[in-house]
Amino acid sequence: GAGVSQSPRYKVTKRGQDVALRCDPISGHVSLYWYRQALGQGPEFLTYFNYEAQQDKSGLPNDRFSAERPEGSISTLTIQRTEQRDSAMYRCASSLATSGSYNEQFFGPGTRLTVL
Amino acid sequence: QKEVEQNSGPLSVPEGAIASLNCTYSDRVSQSFFWYRQYSGKSPELIMSIYSNGDKEDGRFTAQLNKASQYVSLLIRDSQPSDSATYLCAVVNTGSARQLTFGSGTQLTVLP
Repeated sequence: GAGVSQSPRYKVTKRGQDVALRCDPISGHVSLYWYRQALGQGPEFLTYFNYEAQQDKSGLPNDRFSAERPEGSISTLTIQRTEQRDSAMYRCASSLATSGSYNEQFFGPGTRLTVL
Repeated sequence: QKEVEQNSGPLSVPEGAIASLNCTYSDRVSQSFFWYRQYSGKSPELIMSIYSNGDKEDGRFTAQLNKASQYVSLLIRDSQPSDSATYLCAVVNTGSARQLTFGSGTQLTVLP
């Protein structure tokens, strides 16, 4: 597609339920990033993939959060046993670069997660 | 100290004026610098990237980088009401996974 897409755009769930958020990067982009953005703040890094390999998951808040990108394209961020504090906008970004310092990242529309 | 700092604003400028947005960063080995524009309720949109000291111009936008002072700025000339948004400064550090580290953003309002 022309840009990064994410689904669902909105997700309301009850505390304790698992949720899966999907990201489809720009075609040909090998790097994919997940961020979380609170209101009035810039996005905060969660995890990152090069192709199908998860290169860094240091930003994941705890072990309830996991992510995968099995075929090097679409990625899924899964939150198990959701808690109210998980409510936020989850954003995905992709970039063309696989090495070097040039790394222009393009963001998708985000998934607004609300945990009741 | 936050890694990337911006004045939260709000910053108001009259239409046609120059808007100046500033950002400082703490990691001396930071290599890549970006400005994103985020309209209310929308996702961040990349508007400028800069990698070396000096100025980079693109249309009405000029990014300025001073690595010695750990300072990056964005100038918007001939500001328009449509420029009203939050502007996010982002930095990529050497040795990192190339994730962006963002400031909290500066809210800009251009008054007609």
